[in-house]
Amino acid sequence: SQQGEEDPQALSIQEGENATMNCSYKTSINNLQWYRQNSGRGLVHLILIRSNEREKHSGRLRVTLDTSKKSSSLLITASRAADTASYFCATAPAYSGAGSYQLTFGKGTKLSVIP
Amino acid sequence: DAGVIQSPRHEVTEMGQEVTLRCKPISGHNSLFWYRQTMMRGLELLIYFNNNVPIDDSGMPEDRFSAKMPNASFSTLKIQPSEPRDSAVYFCASSNRDRITGELFFGEGSRLTVL
Repeated sequence: SQQGEEDPQALSIQEGENATMNCSYKTSINNLQWYRQNSGRGLVHLILIRSNEREKHSGRLRVTLDTSKKSSSLLITASRAADTASYFCATAPAYSGAGSYQLTFGKGTKLSVIP
Repeated sequence: DAGVIQSPRHEVTEMGQEVTLRCKPISGHNSLFWYRQTMMRGLELLIYFNNNVPIDDSGMPEDRFSAKMPNASFSTLKIQPSEPRDSAVYFCASSNRDRITGELFFGEGSRLTVL
């Protein structure tokens, strides 16, 4: 069963705009991760946020986590055409030990950035 | 560094035939995961191994599916006999469970079409 559910399913924006994607989950987590998938390719890890963290930054990426609402958001600032891809959130259950992750993925948000 | 290597990238076969998908994880990684991706169901975890030992195969759809990891550098996922509903992209991913970060490194996938 799916743990994370991304919203929206698809998003189309102009280059230079910010893109925000949301993820909701159902059970307690150890951490939440965001991945990116270009068409026809494998998934690539972007960023991880732990259950005791509220916000994390990496370059143009900003991730927030609200464990009380069981939700996370991924913000991509100043988007580029090369950011066009599908973005997935993945959750590791609360009982996960260090590195013993059994990640459950959502169905993803398909982002299109128009030049 | 070589990433996770999967073969074949594309496979077209007829119903009833045996299919074997192969994966070489990143050297030094001690966890290996097989996922299946379809439009309808998204990414599903089929099975994962720690130190070559299967830990959880509850995601394997049925007895037609089997996975092995004879050594730290090789794993196979076998479907026998194959059915049209097995058509999907199969991903192998590896990670180092001793690392705190715990991100998964994905291969490029094997796209399977069963006619």
